[in-house]
Amino acid sequence: DAGITQSPRHKVTETGTPVTLRCHQTENHRYMYWYRQDPGHGLRLIHYSYGVKDTDKGEVSDGYSVSRSKTEDFLLTLESATSSQTSVYFCATTLGSGGSYEQYFGPGTRLTVT
Amino acid sequence: AQSVTQLDSQVPVFEEAPVELRCNYSSSVSVYLFWYVQYPNQGLQLLLKYLSGSTLVESINGFEAEFNKSQTSFHLRKPSVHISDTAEYFCAVSDRQGGSEKLVFGKGTKLTVNP
Repeated sequence: DAGITQSPRHKVTETGTPVTLRCHQTENHRYMYWYRQDPGHGLRLIHYSYGVKDTDKGEVSDGYSVSRSKTEDFLLTLESATSSQTSVYFCATTLGSGGSYEQYFGPGTRLTVT
Repeated sequence: AQSVTQLDSQVPVFEEAPVELRCNYSSSVSVYLFWYVQYPNQGLQLLLKYLSGSTLVESINGFEAEFNKSQTSFHLRKPSVHISDTAEYFCAVSDRQGGSEKLVFGKGTKLTVNP
């Protein structure tokens, strides 16, 4: 399995504050993804990256931005957190380049916006 | 774009009973199919996958799934469940549009195995 870590694992923040979540991988996978998981909605893709400095929007990207300056790190930023962004956030990676699309997941970050 | 439907949001069963978790996807073009499992307070782990070849695929812990192209289904089955199988199960399908490598996930099925 890919070595994927997420930090922080838990965070409580106030409405209107900026928040950055970090995903770090050690497997040199090309693709990285940010999802949010909410009851009744399953996993929804926020943003993904297909290489350093190459990112694209997913289905629920409003209010989120991402950056990838190194292969191993993918940052998710909430510019001004809102209560609707209270969720569990998962990072995932896949090798890419004609692989099987199998994604490897990190342990998740539980974010509460008060 | 692909979509995935998991027909049951919750499935309660008794220990040692058989179980089937249903999954249908929208497009019949060439796809890769996956089942992931999520235990409480953990990330998702790959349970099994269909890429090509035999339409019946198996996991190491006794689950199996069958790819049915004509019915666009990939149902997950286990002949005898254990308490430890209690978890949420997600079906996912590859989405090859635009050359990007993405998976589309269903909303999940919570399997509860009761003694």
